[in-house]
Amino acid sequence: GEEVAQTPKHLVRGEGQKAKLYCAPIKGHSYVFWYQQVLKNEFKFLISFQNENVFDETGMPKERFSAKCLPNSPCSLEIQATKLEDSAVYFCASSQYRNPGNTIYFGEGSWLTVV
Amino acid sequence: QQQVKQSPQSLIVQKGGISIINCAYENTAFDYFPWYQQFPGKGPALLIAIRPDVSEKKEGRFTISFNKSAKQFSLHIMDSQPGDSATYFCAASIGSQGNLIFGKGTKLSVKP
Repeated sequence: GEEVAQTPKHLVRGEGQKAKLYCAPIKGHSYVFWYQQVLKNEFKFLISFQNENVFDETGMPKERFSAKCLPNSPCSLEIQATKLEDSAVYFCASSQYRNPGNTIYFGEGSWLTVV
Repeated sequence: QQQVKQSPQSLIVQKGGISIINCAYENTAFDYFPWYQQFPGKGPALLIAIRPDVSEKKEGRFTISFNKSAKQFSLHIMDSQPGDSATYFCAASIGSQGNLIFGKGTKLSVKP
């Protein structure tokens, strides 16, 4: 598709429950990024993929967060045992290349509320 | 350690005025500096971007000024319109890594 498609738009989970978010990158884009935007607008980089391979996972809280990009499937971000502090908007983004100047396109985000 | 510092946090401008948002960075390895515009409930959208070998880039009413020696760059919005009211984020990236490091955002309100 011509846009980054994220589902669901909204997700409510009780503390301790699992949350799973999905992202379909723009067709032909090799790079996928996940960002977390908390209430104060700050973006935190979580993880990036080059095709199905993890490229950079320096931002991932590894204890409860995991992500995958499998061939012919939407990418996913999963949070096990959610905590109140995980409440945020999670953005997926994609780009065609990695070199400087290559535009990164964002989806509309998935709003996770942990109660 | 915040790698990209953005100011001001919020800005109110009259219609037709000039909006100026400033960013400063620390890492000299950054080689790409985009500005993103975000409306409430939407994802950030690329507005304009610059490479460090250029001191200024203009696209319509939007101009980036870049000062490599001072490690600063700024966004100027000329003839600001109420439709420009949004949150603006500066960002920086290193080509070999690809991911964007964002500033904390500036909420712009353009009053009619």
